[in-house]
Amino acid sequence: EADIYQTPRYLVIGTGKKITLECSQTMGHDKMYWYQQDPGMELHLIHYSYGVNSTEKGDLSSESTVSRIRTEHFPLTLESARPSHTSQYLCASSEGPDEQYFGPGTRLTVT
Amino acid sequence: AQTVTQSQPEMSVQEAETVTLSCTYDTSESDYYLFWYKQPPSRQMILVIRQEAYKQQNATENRFSVNFQKAAKSFSLKISDSQLGDAAMYFCALKPGNTPLVFGKGTRLSVIA
Repeated sequence: EADIYQTPRYLVIGTGKKITLECSQTMGHDKMYWYQQDPGMELHLIHYSYGVNSTEKGDLSSESTVSRIRTEHFPLTLESARPSHTSQYLCASSEGPDEQYFGPGTRLTVT
Repeated sequence: AQTVTQSQPEMSVQEAETVTLSCTYDTSESDYYLFWYKQPPSRQMILVIRQEAYKQQNATENRFSVNFQKAAKSFSLKISDSQLGDAAMYFCALKPGNTPLVFGKGTRLSVIA
């Protein structure tokens, strides 16, 4: 089983709050990714990183930001949460051209 | 542009029977990987099987096998002897070169006891 962790697993928060979703991996992978997924639906890539101090936006326009200061850590921040941000957020990592390993996800509800 | 198409939003199979999930893709890259991922309800996404494009032999993992038709850009997943634990969303994914995975929209598989 892959060693990739996400916290919190569930979060209910009010509109306008700032939140940070944490993602860590212990595999030393250079590449890390954030996806947004409504339950049972397709995945949308929102951010990715190919190494420290390198971040890119994905296909889905997002109001979130990311940082990559350490190889193992790739947090996602929403400066002002809105009900439209209610979704599941999946973090993943990979090395080279091979498979991506996924974390367990954070289920976010914005009230 | 890289695209992955899963034309079956939902499928069902009787326990112990065989089911095939379809996937077609498009890429201009000559070097790429293809994957099938499984996402059980409220559980973690896990890899089912992978195929390197340069390998002609179809990948097999226990009850799971693929039919990789490179010229047709087709990558179907066959599940043999289906079990209740196979019930999940299945996502076909393409990894062209050094870019992130491109996912299909998924197929929800139900297994009937």
